[in-house]
Amino acid sequence: ILNVEQSPQSLHVQEGDSTNFTCSFPSSNFYALHWYRWETAKSPEALFVMTLNGDEKKKGRISATLNTKEGYSYLYIKGSQPEDSATYLCAFIWGGSEKLVFGKGTKLTVNP
Amino acid sequence: EAGVAQSPRYKIIEKRQSVAFWCNPISGHATLYWYQQILGQGPKLLIQFQNNGVVDDSQLPKDRFSAERLKGVDSTLKIQPAKLEDSAVYLCASSPRANTEAFFGQGTRLTVV
Repeated sequence: ILNVEQSPQSLHVQEGDSTNFTCSFPSSNFYALHWYRWETAKSPEALFVMTLNGDEKKKGRISATLNTKEGYSYLYIKGSQPEDSATYLCAFIWGGSEKLVFGKGTKLTVNP
Repeated sequence: EAGVAQSPRYKIIEKRQSVAFWCNPISGHATLYWYQQILGQGPKLLIQFQNNGVVDDSQLPKDRFSAERLKGVDSTLKIQPAKLEDSAVYLCASSPRANTEAFFGQGTRLTVV
């Protein structure tokens, strides 16, 4: 059974703080890792699709890194804003499969 | 580009009743997913279609859940009969092909009382 773990489960930060979360996944037979943001009452939307060990991707104040050999990815948010409040989900795909397996998510709350 | 459409947005039913959800994926997307997201948990894949064929339905409770994707476009997910533990958000997503970024609908929030 594939396990995708995310930590922390929830996080409260102040506006302007920088923060990061972790996604852990099986290191063998890696194919791809996705990060999604899910705001309340909206659809989950993709942030990053990462496929190569050592990948670093950036979108505005949000960035992500990938280590496939040790089986983890970090998502960073620099200078958090209240509009960053959402649940951040990672999803893992392993070679030979076509399934997206999601973690439980990290719920971020940014207080003004 | 129109997104993934789902209906209804909300549904409240009594246990043992039946319910159906509808999904219209993005035009041209071959892969369609149905996920169940129970409060406090991550989305769980129920079934994945590639065109109108089933790729994976290993976590679909087949005694009460069924899904179809006629002509490889729209899809319906049915629960019959519903149980209290089926209360969840049901998300439909599509992608151009498997393993690429998934585009999600807004989901259907089901409450079984």
